[in-house]
Amino acid sequence: DIQMTQSPSSLSASVGDRVTITCRASQGISNFVAWYQQKPGKVPKLLIYGASTLQSGVPSRFSGSGSGTDFTLTISSLQPEDVSTYYCQAHNSIPPPFGEGTKVEIK
Amino acid sequence: EVQLVQSGAEVKKPGESLKISCQASGYSFTAYWIGWVRQLPGKGLEWMGIIYPDDSDSRYSPSFQGQVTMSVDKSISTAYLMWSSLKASDTAMYYCARPRWNRYDPFDIWGQGTMVTVSS
Repeated sequence: DIQMTQSPSSLSASVGDRVTITCRASQGISNFVAWYQQKPGKVPKLLIYGASTLQSGVPSRFSGSGSGTDFTLTISSLQPEDVSTYYCQAHNSIPPPFGEGTKVEIK
Repeated sequence: EVQLVQSGAEVKKPGESLKISCQASGYSFTAYWIGWVRQLPGKGLEWMGIIYPDDSDSRYSPSFQGQVTMSVDKSISTAYLMWSSLKASDTAMYYCARPRWNRYDPFDIWGQGTMVTVSS
């Protein structure tokens, strides 16, 4: 099975900072990566699929990139409402594994 | 509006059986797969399995195969997740979710979650 390794596991940044989260797949998965945001106590929300396609309604400060085994989620200017845990997911096979999550806090 | 509405929180004893539900509305229930995701307290997301309501074709993660059973009732647009004998380690939040299109796609529609607590 494919494994997804996220880093860092947590980070603290200031409002307005550029934030980058990485996800590495244990084998090549082309561009089949999704990113989710889960705010504390809330339901996960799909942000990006196909590595770089923004889900409808998601703010443009979120972007995704990567192909093969290495992927990134970038928040161009961190906002207070972005405090969340972010998960990557490979979506080209069954089971489609999630990464362990990255907790983003405001400094 | 497309939505998935899950049944309420459950408190059960080890060894008991349980069936939680996920009712779909706002779209053709038989045209989209429905998946289930587990989240242990304070932990990450785990993909459990997915079922196609039209013919009940099901795929399970190896981690959950034999531990749970998915089913559907097309007449009421509802998917179910069932346990025959709960363990304390089943204590978790369970989400149903609909993928964007096919069974491999990420989930863009989520239920509100059902908290299952198993304790003696």
